[in-house]
Amino acid sequence: QVQLQESGPGLVKPSETLSLTCTVSGDSSTNYFWSWIRQPAGKGLEWIARIFATGTNYNPSLNGRVSMSLDRSKNQFSLTLNSVTAADTAVYYCARWSAARVCFDYWGQGILVTVSS
Amino acid sequence: EIVLTQSPGTLSLSPGERATLSCRASHSVTNNYLSWYQQRPGQAPRLLIYGASSRATGIPDRFSGSGSGTDFTLTISRLEPEDFAMYYCHLYGDSLPFIFGPGTELNIK
Repeated sequence: QVQLQESGPGLVKPSETLSLTCTVSGDSSTNYFWSWIRQPAGKGLEWIARIFATGTNYNPSLNGRVSMSLDRSKNQFSLTLNSVTAADTAVYYCARWSAARVCFDYWGQGILVTVSS
Repeated sequence: EIVLTQSPGTLSLSPGERATLSCRASHSVTNNYLSWYQQRPGQAPRLLIYGASSRATGIPDRFSGSGSGTDFTLTISRLEPEDFAMYYCHLYGDSLPFIFGPGTELNIK
């Protein structure tokens, strides 16, 4: 059974950097893409970024503030979001993208990150 | 960039009734890579349907998906109490970013 678990600080100050990690268990395959998706309170889902064996893709709406990395030895991937503002307050989900089924087939439980001084 | 519209925004039904949720794309894509996700309050989204009509593992057969081109439908044949939730669609298009629909809230009448 594939499981994803987000971790990181729940509170970040404005203008600072948000850093989250997703730990994957139950799946050692390299045949997937790994994504971050966020959801402000009471709002819909916004895709942030994805990483795969040969590269990364980012949502242009984040204006170059985002980056991802992958650590296969630890079965982890990470998200970094710079220069955060209150608008970045949201629940952040990590998710697995299946290229075979063309969908986000597994999701973490989510982590609430609040941007506040 | 594809824009997804979901209707209705809110749907109020009773347990045992049939629910029909719509997801419409701003323009047609050459595939049917439409997926549906259920999100219960306080929980992460859960994959229900992929490829427009294939149920994910463990999803009851009262959930079904259909459609092609620009119009897709999620049908729940007989609503159970646990089905009252938010539903989002996602269509894999020809370019990034990934886009989700704004969601349909299915609540108990």
